[in-house]
Amino acid sequence: NAGVTQTPKFQVLKTGQSMTLQCAQDMNHEYMSWYRQDPGMGLRLIHYSVGAGITDQGEVPNGYNVSRSTTEDFPLRLLSAAPSQTSVYFCASSSAGGKLYEQYFGPGTRLTVT
Amino acid sequence: GDSVTQMEGPVTLSEEAFLTINCTYTATGYPSLFWYVQYPGEGLQLLLKATKADDKGSNKGFEATYRKETTSFHLEKGSVQVSDSAVYFCALGSGNTPLVFGKGTRLSVIA
Repeated sequence: NAGVTQTPKFQVLKTGQSMTLQCAQDMNHEYMSWYRQDPGMGLRLIHYSVGAGITDQGEVPNGYNVSRSTTEDFPLRLLSAAPSQTSVYFCASSSAGGKLYEQYFGPGTRLTVT
Repeated sequence: GDSVTQMEGPVTLSEEAFLTINCTYTATGYPSLFWYVQYPGEGLQLLLKATKADDKGSNKGFEATYRKETTSFHLEKGSVQVSDSAVYFCALGSGNTPLVFGKGTRLSVIA
């Protein structure tokens, strides 16, 4: 099992550009989520999904879109990048039920917006 | 809403020293409690968990006991190693709502 994979590992964008951060998992997990990690702020939840076709907003959803058309994939779209979106982004997945909170994290994408 | 407060870092210890990282929580229900660890350049990984009061979670020499009376879940290790240098996150999960993370505590262990 590859676990949770994220691409790209690094990305530099100019203000106003759009892009998609990819996340995939091969563990047949129902639950997937996106976090951003900023110094001194810990992890903040952007969006999450409890299954294919179902998504919901987290703590900091503005400027980001998600969709979940398959169980395996959960891409995060930045619509018009801003310097405030410079961060490290982590995707995570877990199975439903009793292990919902035992999340598996990807290695992260480091995004810089200039 | 539910929240987690953990001690601010960074924490710097010598090898073989005793480690305590404090974590307290606020929750309306009966949460499960977790410690996650993030090694340099990596994503988080689950270190240990406890699902009810008085449970003790343990892994890799780390322990934490779920104390309902003090709403705490402090992380301890009797003898740290350089390889334990990482950021440690306390987290709370309850009622199928998303995990709530603390802000993380950076630990540096020097030889």
